Amino acid sequence: GIQVEQSPPDLILQEGANSTLRCNFSDSVNNLQWFHQNPWGQLINLFYIPSGTKQNGRLSATTVATERYSLLYISSSQTTDSGVYFCAVGQYGNKLVFGAGTILRVKS
Amino acid sequence: DTEVTQTPKHLVMGMTNKKSLKCEQHMGHRAMYWYKQKAKKPPELMFVYSYEKLSINESVPSRFSPECPNSSLLNLHLHALQPEDSALYLCASSHPTGTGGPAQYFGPGTRLTVT
Repeated sequence: GIQVEQSPPDLILQEGANSTLRCNFSDSVNNLQWFHQNPWGQLINLFYIPSGTKQNGRLSATTVATERYSLLYISSSQTTDSGVYFCAVGQYGNKLVFGAGTILRVKS
Repeated sequence: DTEVTQTPKHLVMGMTNKKSLKCEQHMGHRAMYWYKQKAKKPPELMFVYSYEKLSINESVPSRFSPECPNSSLLNLHLHALQPEDSALYLCASSHPTGTGGPAQYFGPGTRLTVT
């Protein structure tokens, strides 16, 4: 099956810093989503981005489908950005495969 | 804000109990999902329903029994669970593939503890 690798596995930032999270996948996909899981377990949709670039406030994402990677940019990080960031991809049907996640800690 | 709701938020059950998890969505989606997430791991797909029919079962043990009574509701019936089944159970919904984009939206989860 498809492999999804996220990097870095852990990231510690000072409040106000910028960061880039990466997601590599091993095959072509028709679905790619970025999620933020908060400390209570809620998975929050950040982006649906199988290709192209999107921005939402301090967050933006780019997927280069031909090169099989996606990047999530967080600018001016805040303590509320802490949590686990997951990339998930789908190839066919409705099956999503998740990466292992990046644990982000933002310190004040 | 989430438009997928799950009840209960927390559940503690013994290995001989029978319980059910409930999920509801009002986004007009016709695909619904159950995922299981163990601590410090990513969610793993268990079941997919598309147009109220079971379309994917990821070789889940029969002690987990899904049910989709209508397009808005999804249940997961639990019976004779093991302590290793303790996890966060997440429900999600989406349009079926090919219609309006298959972005999945997740509920807040039910945290299950089996004693």
